Amino acid sequence: ETGVTQTPRHLVMGMTNKKSLKCEQHLGHNAMYWYKQSAKKPLELMFVYSLEERVENNSVPSRFSPECPNSSHLFLHLHTLQPEDSALYLCASSQLERGVGEKLFFGSGTQLSVL
Amino acid sequence: GEDVEQSLFLSVREGDSSVINCTYTDSSSTYLYWYKQEPGAGLQLLTYIFSNMDMKQDQRLTVLLNKKDKHLSLRIADTQTGDSAIYFCAEGGGSYIPTFGRGTSLIVHP
Repeated sequence: ETGVTQTPRHLVMGMTNKKSLKCEQHLGHNAMYWYKQSAKKPLELMFVYSLEERVENNSVPSRFSPECPNSSHLFLHLHTLQPEDSALYLCASSQLERGVGEKLFFGSGTQLSVL
Repeated sequence: GEDVEQSLFLSVREGDSSVINCTYTDSSSTYLYWYKQEPGAGLQLLTYIFSNMDMKQDQRLTVLLNKKDKHLSLRIADTQTGDSAIYFCAEGGGSYIPTFGRGTSLIVHP
């Protein structure tokens, strides 16, 4: 397995469910990202985990909760979502060198539908 | 306005050249990137250019940077149906969090 792998590819959930998205990178990178992609909107950064810090977009609702147990794995825990949370959720990784690492490698995404 | 702006759609005929344009606002941007997203897939880094360059060529791809006007373009020569995708411009200030545009949907028709 190479690159960045996301599971599941598709997820349908009700507003009262709890689910988790999983991401795994096999590139030896030291930073991982969650992005939300909605139609006709800019790509929205949700969370970043790097070697030394976690960065979060303050506009992301608390019903989204990230977890990064090690440099290869990233989770996004979902609970009591709203229909407007339906989107493609993309995971990415990059290699930071001297604090710079904007060449991102993306997974194929999880297409989430909230009913 | 948004930090990175692109037109939403571009339609070209197969074999023609495609030019996708992007403007950005951060004059301290160090790197400018082009990503490609095919249907059902994530974004893939196509090419990038340092801010001290004004042109970079890679096979059918030519990136032009006008730093004074904060304008970036991607030219695809001899556009093929396989080039149909969404193309994202992104700018980086030398950290690890790039800023993306909304993406330009390139439609290639016979």
